[in-house]
Amino acid sequence: GAGVSQSPRYKVTKRGQDVALRCDPISGHVSLYWYRQALGQGPEFLTYFNYEAQQDKSGLPNDRFSAERPEGSISTLTIQRTEQRDSAMYRCASSLGGIRTDTQYFGPGTRLTVL
Amino acid sequence: AQTVTQSQPEMSVQEAETVTLSCTYDTSESDYYLFWYKQPPSRQMILVIRQEAYKQQNATENRFSVNFQKAAKSFSLKISDSQLGDAAMYFCAYRSPNNNDMRFGAGTRLTVKP
Repeated sequence: GAGVSQSPRYKVTKRGQDVALRCDPISGHVSLYWYRQALGQGPEFLTYFNYEAQQDKSGLPNDRFSAERPEGSISTLTIQRTEQRDSAMYRCASSLGGIRTDTQYFGPGTRLTVL
Repeated sequence: AQTVTQSQPEMSVQEAETVTLSCTYDTSESDYYLFWYKQPPSRQMILVIRQEAYKQQNATENRFSVNFQKAAKSFSLKISDSQLGDAAMYFCAYRSPNNNDMRFGAGTRLTVKP
């Protein structure tokens, strides 16, 4: 596609439910990143992939958060047993790959609200 | 760990005037990348401009330019001939060449007055 797409754009869930957020990167982009952005703050790194390999998950806040990218394209960020503090904008970004020249392009985000 | 500081939570500029947004960062690395992203009310994240630390020349993209002061670890964004469409949150970001996560500042909200 022309840009990074994310779905759903908005998700409202009840505390304790699991949610799955999807990211479809720019075609041909090797690297894919997940960020979380609280209101009034800048994005905070969660994890990233090169192809299907998860290279760094140091930003995932706890073991309720996981991500996968099984075929090296679409990625899913899963939050289990959601809590109210998980409410935020979740952003995905992709890049061509090749660290030195990389620029990340962001998707529109998924606004998650946990009631 | 690298940190990025934007000391101006809000800025205001008159249409057609020039405004400068400040950004400082803390790092022990000599090679890195710096970015400015724009987040309009739609909450998209749009790349405005990027700067490689090894380049002495300041990056320029049309009405947007940066003042990169490596020794001072400063990376300000200048917007010339401000337009109403420039109104947005602006985030400064740092990326190390050795990893892929970006560190963002807290943002500056820019208002453009007609």
